[in-house]
Amino acid sequence: AQSVTQPDIHITVSEGASLELRCNYSYGATPYLFWYVQSPGQGLQLLLKYFSGDTLVQGIKGFEAEFKRSQSSFNLRKPSVHWSDAAEYFCAVGARAAGNKLTFGGGTRVLVKP
Amino acid sequence: SAVISQKPSRDICQRGTSLTIQCQVDSQVTMMFWYRQQPGQSLTLIATANQGSEATYESGFVIDKFPISRPNLTFSTLTVSNMSPEDSSIYLCSVAKATSGRAAYNEQFFGPGTRLTVL
Repeated sequence: AQSVTQPDIHITVSEGASLELRCNYSYGATPYLFWYVQSPGQGLQLLLKYFSGDTLVQGIKGFEAEFKRSQSSFNLRKPSVHWSDAAEYFCAVGARAAGNKLTFGGGTRVLVKP
Repeated sequence: SAVISQKPSRDICQRGTSLTIQCQVDSQVTMMFWYRQQPGQSLTLIATANQGSEATYESGFVIDKFPISRPNLTFSTLTVSNMSPEDSSIYLCSVAKATSGRAAYNEQFFGPGTRLTVL
C-alpha cells in the first residue's frame, strides 16, 4: 500500500526567505509523485509532478522538487517566498498499478510573515 | 488539462437528509474520483468512478452511504445519505488524464469542492 508522510504540520517563514517542505513516501515500485497547493477556500492546484527521468522537477510559481529514491523523499522548495504562498501544501503519491489513485500526506500549512 | 465544476459549492443540511453533489468535466475522461476532506484534515479517497463499471469504494466507505452515479464520460454524482454532523467536510471530485503524450502517466485535476455542513 502507498503512504505519504509530511513531517511538518506548520511552517512559518518570512517573506523573501527560502522554503522547504518535506515529503516521504512508501511504495514498492516507482511512484508518481505530486505536490498540490490549496489556498483558503480553494480547490487543489497542481504545483509539479514527477513521473520519471530528471529527478529535479520544476513547477509553477517558482517551486521545484527533487526526487531522491534512496531517501524515499520528494521535498518541495522555493528560493524566495511571497505572501501569496501562504497556503496548505499536500504531497501525494500515485501509481498506475494502483489504478491511478492518489494517497495524500497530511499536509503542511505555510504561514508567511511580512 | 481539465476544467471541473461542482454543484453546489456549499450547503448546510439537516441531519438525516441526503445531498447529491454533481461533478461536470469539460472533456471526456474515463477515470474519476471522489475525495473527502474533513475539517483541518487531508484528502481521503472515497471511491473510484469509472464510466461503464460500478464504483469501487475504499475501506471505510460503503455504497449505501455514498452512492455514486457515472452516467457518461463527463459527469458524475456523489450522494451523501442520511447525513450526520460527522459528514461535514469538503467533497472533491477529480479526474485523471494522460499528459505529455504518454498514456501510461496520468495526473489528476481537481474540482473546486463542495463544502458541506450538517447541523
